[in-house]
Amino acid sequence: GDSVTQMEGPVTLSEEAFLTINCTYTATGYPSLFWYVQYPGEGLQLLLKATKADDKGSNKGFEATYRKETTSFHLEKGSVQVSDSAVYFCALTRNTNAGKSTFGDGTTLTVKP
Amino acid sequence: DAGVIQSPRHEVTEMGQEVTLRCKPISGHDYLFWYRQTMMRGLELLIYFNNNVPIDDSGMPEDRFSAKMPNASFSTLKIQPSEPRDSAVYFCASSPGTSGRETQYFGPGTRLTVL
Repeated sequence: GDSVTQMEGPVTLSEEAFLTINCTYTATGYPSLFWYVQYPGEGLQLLLKATKADDKGSNKGFEATYRKETTSFHLEKGSVQVSDSAVYFCALTRNTNAGKSTFGDGTTLTVKP
Repeated sequence: DAGVIQSPRHEVTEMGQEVTLRCKPISGHDYLFWYRQTMMRGLELLIYFNNNVPIDDSGMPEDRFSAKMPNASFSTLKIQPSEPRDSAVYFCASSPGTSGRETQYFGPGTRLTVL
């Protein structure tokens, strides 16, 4: 079955540091890939997505590139802020699975001033 | 649009009591999902609906859990009887389509505590 594996956390960085959160997936066909972010006390919200190989999703300074050859969708940001502290979830959805998503376990990021 | 609305935001109950969680999806969204989030098990899909019809309930933990969607704008998740191990944050999410490229829109969650 489908699966998503995320870099284990928690991750603690200083403000303005470079961020990478690794995500790899296993799925048949051509899934769409997503990064969701969950701020404390809130539900998940879309951060960025990519729907085909080599697409780059970007939002709020975050980027991730859909790499089919390595089945990866790593999240990066060049300079993190304290406000980026949250839990980040990688997810995939297949068009043959009627919208049902598979989520990773989440990676907790804490950014210190 | 107001987004996905869930109520109540917090629920504290005693073991054995019935609990009903409510969700109003975004208007026009055909899919509705119920998730449970705990520290131990992460985010789990419990059940999802397409056009008010349950499609996959394989994630429902046991017969104590039931979910309904009587119309396109309302869904409930019921636990009867509740147990302490049901304590978790329950999220409802909705999505507009079936291509696999659509985003899921999550509500703020209901934090359930069963004493």
